[in-house]
Amino acid sequence: RKEVEQDPGPFNVPEGATVAFNCTYSNSASQSFFWYRQDCRKEPKLLMSVYSSGNEDGRFTAQLNRASQYISLLIRDSKLSDSATYLCVVARGYALNFGKGTSLLVTP
Amino acid sequence: DAGVIQSPRHEVTEMGQEVTLRCKPISGHDYLFWYRQTMMRGLELLIYFNNNVPIDDSGMPEDRFSAKMPNASFSTLKIQPSEPRDSAVYFCASSPASTTNEQFFGPGTRLTVL
Repeated sequence: RKEVEQDPGPFNVPEGATVAFNCTYSNSASQSFFWYRQDCRKEPKLLMSVYSSGNEDGRFTAQLNRASQYISLLIRDSKLSDSATYLCVVARGYALNFGKGTSLLVTP
Repeated sequence: DAGVIQSPRHEVTEMGQEVTLRCKPISGHDYLFWYRQTMMRGLELLIYFNNNVPIDDSGMPEDRFSAKMPNASFSTLKIQPSEPRDSAVYFCASSPASTTNEQFFGPGTRLTVL
């Protein structure tokens, strides 16, 4: 069983929709949490860190529930440019553990 | 500023051949990471270095894989001999010690072993 589990999707949503991704992790000793974004045939890039209190960056909101070992990402007012794969990432020290990603396609 | 540089971008080789992948991290970054990405297994950490010293190589699949970092601006990942199951995209990433785990990835090397 992989340490970080995500629904692979794909999620197909119209422009302007709100979409939510979820992720679970198995190691309770995990220290840091992130969402990375990966465009087709490109490298992953950091989208945002995830804090226990929840945090927001524009249209993106991330939540962490340590008790349930659950991480979420909410995207409001989806844009065509949000189409990508979203990777849930859990870290212990500097070693990052990536989920396999959730694919999002935003359509006109 | 230049990001992480990897070469070659694409490599096609035959089973049994030696393959060397190269990485130049962002200047000033103390950490360097090698990852492999496949459809089946996703993105997996192979090995990482801190100040040119290997810290954790538990992700290296087997003895056919080796990695070196002779100086702060260069690292190699070598596969000898290569096998078809090694076909994947290999990413190098670097990170400054002062940040909270943001890693900056290179464009990757797409390796195909026939």
